[in-house]
Amino acid sequence: ETGVTQTPRHLVMGMTNKKSLKCEQHLGHNAMYWYKQSAKKPLELMFVYSLEERVENNSVPSRFSPECPNSSHLFLHLHTLQPEDSALYLCASSQGRANKLYNEQFFGPGTRLTVL
Amino acid sequence: DAKTTQPPSMDCAEGRAANLPCNHSTISGNEYVYWYRQIHSQGPQYIIHGLKNNETNEMASLIITEDRKSSTLILPHATLRDTAVYYCIVSRNNTDKLIFGTGTRLQVFP
Repeated sequence: ETGVTQTPRHLVMGMTNKKSLKCEQHLGHNAMYWYKQSAKKPLELMFVYSLEERVENNSVPSRFSPECPNSSHLFLHLHTLQPEDSALYLCASSQGRANKLYNEQFFGPGTRLTVL
Repeated sequence: DAKTTQPPSMDCAEGRAANLPCNHSTISGNEYVYWYRQIHSQGPQYIIHGLKNNETNEMASLIITEDRKSSTLILPHATLRDTAVYYCIVSRNNTDKLIFGTGTRLQVFP
């Protein structure tokens, strides 16, 4: 247990569906991250939130929409995805200091997403 | 671009020390060396990081060469549960995003 939980753990959706991934951290951290891990590819950073403000968006398509309502929760809203979006989606958190982030990150177990 | 080079795979006998090398010949003076690992079907797990001095914690030891162009992660007594992909990352502490490469797949065998 890392203190970061993700739900659901597995998700199968069609290309016309709308779904959301949820992440919750119980560590009192102030920064949260979404990563994508496709088969046989390195982890790719998607979004970064610091104190509920988005500070990084790594050219992610608009069919992925993040939301950070408070420092403990992070969502990734999905709509009209493509089969190539099938991947493991990982959430992480860290304790940033002032505007400095990216230190030791704690990862959740991930959501395995399959788009049909 | 990846700033580190790691062997794609290594084997280690259970109970023996696992020494995982990493080359980072272009590392800058203010960049740290981080190690994470990812056990199958789990998220990555932070292991250790260092700047230029050797570091040790309850999981592992990190040995950084004097010129800082390479480092070695040491798991002193590998267990089957240490089977994972190990990532060596260089990054400025608290400033740069972590860029994960393909890592080293460590297989610990009985």
